[in-house]
Amino acid sequence: NAGVMQNPRHLVRRRGQEARLRCSPMKGHSHVYWYRQLPEEGLKFMVYLQKENIIDESGMPKERFSAEFPKEGPSILRIQQVVRGDSAAYFCASSSQSRGTGELFFGEGSRLTVL
Amino acid sequence: DAKTTQPTSMDCAEGRAANLPCNHSTISGNEYVYWYRQIHSQGPQYIIHGLKNNETNEMASLIITEDRKSSTLILPHATLRDTAVYYCIVRGPFNQAGTALIFGKGTTLSVSS
Repeated sequence: NAGVMQNPRHLVRRRGQEARLRCSPMKGHSHVYWYRQLPEEGLKFMVYLQKENIIDESGMPKERFSAEFPKEGPSILRIQQVVRGDSAAYFCASSSQSRGTGELFFGEGSRLTVL
Repeated sequence: DAKTTQPTSMDCAEGRAANLPCNHSTISGNEYVYWYRQIHSQGPQYIIHGLKNNETNEMASLIITEDRKSSTLILPHATLRDTAVYYCIVRGPFNQAGTALIFGKGTTLSVSS
């Protein structure tokens, strides 16, 4: 997991507030994936981004969730008007290859608690 | 949905080999078999991957059957720190839409002394 940095590691929000989770990929990696893990459940794919482009957002909830990966800076997962059901661990992963096998390297996650 | 089937749980004695099976009978010709693990609530950790041939690295060995419909991850000398959920994932070779790693329920491996 060395190299993929996520912050904050823990975030507490009240219902209706916004949550912003940041992910800095490993050096040289231009592909970022976001996953969500609800308590006692498995990892669910949310979105896949390359620099400035969303490639696959088939796992993103239709409302309140958005993601970006700007040319400069980290990838951001934004959750607007959070609800208690958003409480989960959010993991980011990065990859360096556009062809070939491109294994993913994960960060330690950001744990969101909605009060 | 995950394209693989794994046992829910397995036990292994410390120092013994852990053999984790995975069925992927619908695998396509260009799809790879990946193994990841998640220790407690940490981020998933890449272990190994393969296409057709058996593979070995410093962590584990991957044995893929000739028809590619199943595989086995082998941890040659399991330690207590290998206790984790192990995920077998089938995935196409390109980083494009529809090729994200899809995690199933995995196998919970418990290593005991």
